[in-house]
Amino acid sequence: KAGVTQTPRYLIKTRGQQVTLSCSPISGHRSVSWYQQTPGQGLQFLFEYFSETQRNKGNFPGRFSGRQFSNSRSEMNVSTLELGDSALYLCASSFPEGNTEAFFGQGTRLTVV
Amino acid sequence: AQKITQTQPGMFVQEKEAVTLDCTYDTSDQSYGLFWYKQPSSGEMIFLIYQGSYDEQNATEGRYSLNFQKARKSANLVISASQLGDSAMYFCAMREKDDSGYALNFGKGTSLLVTP
Repeated sequence: KAGVTQTPRYLIKTRGQQVTLSCSPISGHRSVSWYQQTPGQGLQFLFEYFSETQRNKGNFPGRFSGRQFSNSRSEMNVSTLELGDSALYLCASSFPEGNTEAFFGQGTRLTVV
Repeated sequence: AQKITQTQPGMFVQEKEAVTLDCTYDTSDQSYGLFWYKQPSSGEMIFLIYQGSYDEQNATEGRYSLNFQKARKSANLVISASQLGDSAMYFCAMREKDDSGYALNFGKGTSLLVTP
């Protein structure tokens, strides 16, 4: 059974640019959530998608957005990149009902220069 | 307010010994889930163990066990027979159900170093 796949693994972008990250969940998992990890702030929840709808959103500016497709794959987009957006972005997939395990991908390490 | 507290920034343990990583949580929900993840230097978050709030038995997965004390709101991870490959960051997380979905709240993590 394939795990959670995130692409690309590494990205270097310039301030002001935009970036799109992709996440393919484990087969059968319909909930996808995104997290940002930085040394200063730790792991912070960005948003969660289920059935192509954003169900929950963390405390991030509107420059951070996402979407989910009918096959449960999800993308997140960050526009007008800032230096502080440099981070490891992790996505997790799970069954949406009840409290069950959430599995993470290997992450995308974004560096903004 | 911090929902997950991991009070040990760093821990050392000798190979083959057992180690306990502390985690306390704060919630007013009756239904919640508690997770432990391992993050090696490569960055991937590796799921270790899960405990549901209604589970009466402590969760176990191989060398990992979760010491769940609901009244004290603690969910400590016990790693038995430590191995050099266990050296990593360990994160405790809680999943509550907001009215509009789920989100994982993570602690700050504990860095574990296993020495020969």
